Amino acid sequence: DTEVTQTPKHLVMGMTNKKSLKCEQHMGHRAMYWYKQKAKKPPELMFVYSYEKLSINESVPSRFSPECPNSSLLNLHLHALQPEDSALYLCASSQGTSGSVSYNEQFFGPGTRLTVL
Amino acid sequence: AQSVAQPEDQVNVAEGNPLTVKCTYSVSGNPYLFWYVQYPNRGLQFLLKYITGDNLVKGSYGFEAEFNKSQTSFHLKKPSALVSDSALYFCAVRSLKAAGNKLTFGGGTRVLVKP
Repeated sequence: DTEVTQTPKHLVMGMTNKKSLKCEQHMGHRAMYWYKQKAKKPPELMFVYSYEKLSINESVPSRFSPECPNSSLLNLHLHALQPEDSALYLCASSQGTSGSVSYNEQFFGPGTRLTVL
Repeated sequence: AQSVAQPEDQVNVAEGNPLTVKCTYSVSGNPYLFWYVQYPNRGLQFLLKYITGDNLVKGSYGFEAEFNKSQTSFHLKKPSALVSDSALYFCAVRSLKAAGNKLTFGGGTRVLVKP
């Protein structure tokens, strides 16, 4: 299985809602990532997990809360978002850890299209 | 700091003609270079990478890229473009000094292949 899956595909939420994005991979990868992508722009790194531990937080606002329950799953909990948070949220995974530079490519999921009203 | 530049926002090419998408990079030390493609409303798909060795790298769907250390470039090429190659292409770099496997992406180049 060489696939990263993400649910839901689309999400519309109000600014007071709480929702979660889910990501799953069964490739045995121990590094997992959340990216935010605006239209026609490159992905922006948000978080990196290595061996289920948060290794990078790119100064993301606290209304985004990541969680890595096990080596195959990655969640992104959303609370009190702003309209400017509307974007495509991409999950990715790769071999390699935060302790060393990895030359392995990242595998991306199809993304969750988030709209904040 | 590491950076990637894709100087063309869009490349237009006729089907059957050669396709080139340009990428230059700046890193400290040896670079690890990647090309990804993104179709509308989809995630990124890995095309190819350069780690070390032969400067000409062959990847998926008939794409190849040439690493040029002196010009700090890693241009993506395809000898004969297809309409289905129309998509958004991202070059990315990672260096030995980048913590946490952090990739730095270029701004992207939209490729439009016309029949």
